[in-house]
Amino acid sequence: EPEVTQTPSHQVTQMGQEVILRCVPISNHLYFYWYRQILGQKVEFLVSFYNNEISEKSEIFDDQFSVERPDGSNFTLKIRSTKLEDSAMYFCASSEALGLSYEQYFGPGTRLTVT
Amino acid sequence: RKEVEQDPGPFNVPEGATVAFNCTYSNSASQSFFWYRQDCRKEPKLLMSVYSSGNEDGRFTAQLNRASQYISLLIRDSKLSDSATYLCVVTSTSGTYKYIFGTGTRLKVLA
Repeated sequence: EPEVTQTPSHQVTQMGQEVILRCVPISNHLYFYWYRQILGQKVEFLVSFYNNEISEKSEIFDDQFSVERPDGSNFTLKIRSTKLEDSAMYFCASSEALGLSYEQYFGPGTRLTVT
Repeated sequence: RKEVEQDPGPFNVPEGATVAFNCTYSNSASQSFFWYRQDCRKEPKLLMSVYSSGNEDGRFTAQLNRASQYISLLIRDSKLSDSATYLCVVTSTSGTYKYIFGTGTRLKVLA
């Protein structure tokens, strides 16, 4: 069964450093999302991406964040200068299409720890 | 009012018990609803979509009440392996169908 993959599974970085989280969505999917989950809290939407551009972003997704699809398979989330409060699980998701009957499939997540 | 609200639990139930979770949502225009299951430090996995007519998948039954803006999940004959956090998800009414998650309800099935 096709699945979304993410690397690395765990990233430890120092405050102020840049990190890139990588995702490989399911191959025929067209819509991509990043969500994050701070420990003990709910899953929150960060950004959606379609046709090589951001479709929607949340208030969390400020200038420190960027997304890119550098080639036909990878989808990346970059945090330019990490803060302690960026520590969280980051989930990538993809969907075949937009619409009520198209669910999103989630990757296993990257646990980001900012020290 | 929170966009999607759930009782965080935990619900501790014995094996074989029936347990029900509820979820309320604030946007009456919402069209699409799901229950996801999340194990500790893992990704959310789709348990079932929730349809207006209600739907059943084995031991799991989901119901939607649009008038009251709530969604329910019933688990019959609980198994130890059902222990997890159950996330209520409502799809945004904006263009990208982003997911809006509840905080989740934690279930622990005891032997």
